[in-house]
Formats: sequence, C-alpha cells, structure tokens
Amino acid sequence: RKEVEQDPGPFNVPEGATVAFNCTYSNSASQSFFWYRQDCRKEPKLLMSVYSSGNEDGRFTAQLNRASQYISLLIRDSKLSDSATYLCVVNGAGTYKYIFGTGTRLKVLA
Amino acid sequence: ETGVTQSPTHLIKTRGQQVTLRCSSQSGHNTVSWYQQALGQGPQFIFQYYREEENGRGNFPPRFSGLQFPNYSSELNVNALELDDSALYLCASSPRTSGSWNEQFFGPGTRLTVL
Repeated sequence: RKEVEQDPGPFNVPEGATVAFNCTYSNSASQSFFWYRQDCRKEPKLLMSVYSSGNEDGRFTAQLNRASQYISLLIRDSKLSDSATYLCVVNGAGTYKYIFGTGTRLKVLA
Repeated sequence: ETGVTQSPTHLIKTRGQQVTLRCSSQSGHNTVSWYQQALGQGPQFIFQYYREEENGRGNFPPRFSGLQFPNYSSELNVNALELDDSALYLCASSPRTSGSWNEQFFGPGTRLTVL
C-alpha cells in the first residue's frame, strides 16, 4: 500500500462547480498535512496547510480526518485558473521527510 | 524577499556522467530538501539538509549525495548517471524550528535529461 494515495483523475468540471478531492495516508503517526498545487512543468506551490480543526481560504476548504486517515480539499465556484494538479503531502512520522501523493488532475471547463 | 532559486534550469547528460545541481534557499530559511519528480508522479524525497548536515534520506542510492553551505545554499550531486535519473529535480527550503514541521517552498527545478 502506498504511504499517500490520491485519485489521479482527471476531474473535468464546468466553471462554477464544486469539486472535492480526498487523499488517504497510511501512517497514523503523521503530524503535518498540506495541499500543494502544481501547474504543468512548474514547481509545486503551497496551497494550504491542513490543521486538525480544518481551515478555509476563500473558495478552498481543507479538512483532516485522523480516525479514517484522510485529508480532503474542497474547491467551490471553480475557475478556469484552478486547472492544475493538486498534490497531497504528509510528513513521514518521526522524520522531516515529506511524502507526496501522485497528484489529482483538475480541469475546469468553460 | 528572494524565493528559492535553482541552477541550471535544464541539463542534458549521458549515462555514466556526473552532475551537480545547485539551490539557493529563501531568505531566512535554514533547511533545504531535495526531491526527484518523474513525469506523471509526485515528488520523491531524496534527502534534507539542516545546519550543513544530512537530516533524513529517502530511498535513493549513495550515488545521490549533497552538501549544504554556511549560507544555507545546497548542492545535489549524482554520480554514474542512469537513464532513469531523467526527471525534474526540485529543491525546497523551509524555516525549520525545533519540534515543528514547517511548510516547504519550492524552487523552479532543474530538468535533467540523461541520454
């Protein structure tokens, strides 16, 4: 089983739609969780950290479910510019190692 | 504030050669991590440097080595290049403080092609 798993997609959604991604992780001792966005042939950019209480930044909401070992990202009112690959990141428990999922591709269609 | 920079942006090498990639961390960041990203995959952790010492290593062979300098910049060296080493190499810096797990900020990467 992979340490961090994501549905690779692609998720094709119309502008204005709400879309949600989940990411599961295998190590229950993991402590830090993040969502990064990566555009084609560019570097990953931090979208948001995921806190135990959940957090929201504009149209983006991230949640952590420790009991079921997954994190989620919700995007409301999708824009064309949201088209990208969304990478889930979990730290390796007891280390400073960051473990990335393979990413979920999102295409927002006009 | 200057972000993370990497050089070169692109590199073409042949099998068996050696390569050195460079990274300057973001101002105020003392920790540098290196990742390898193959096409269609997420970045894979190679190693991390903190205070000029290796502080964690992923599942990469010893021919992948690195350095961190007093100004926190870093190098990644790969010896005896193989075709499978072709990838985007990403450097990320973070302002690590004791006991915390800081967010990492990535440079634009070096795209290495091994022929």
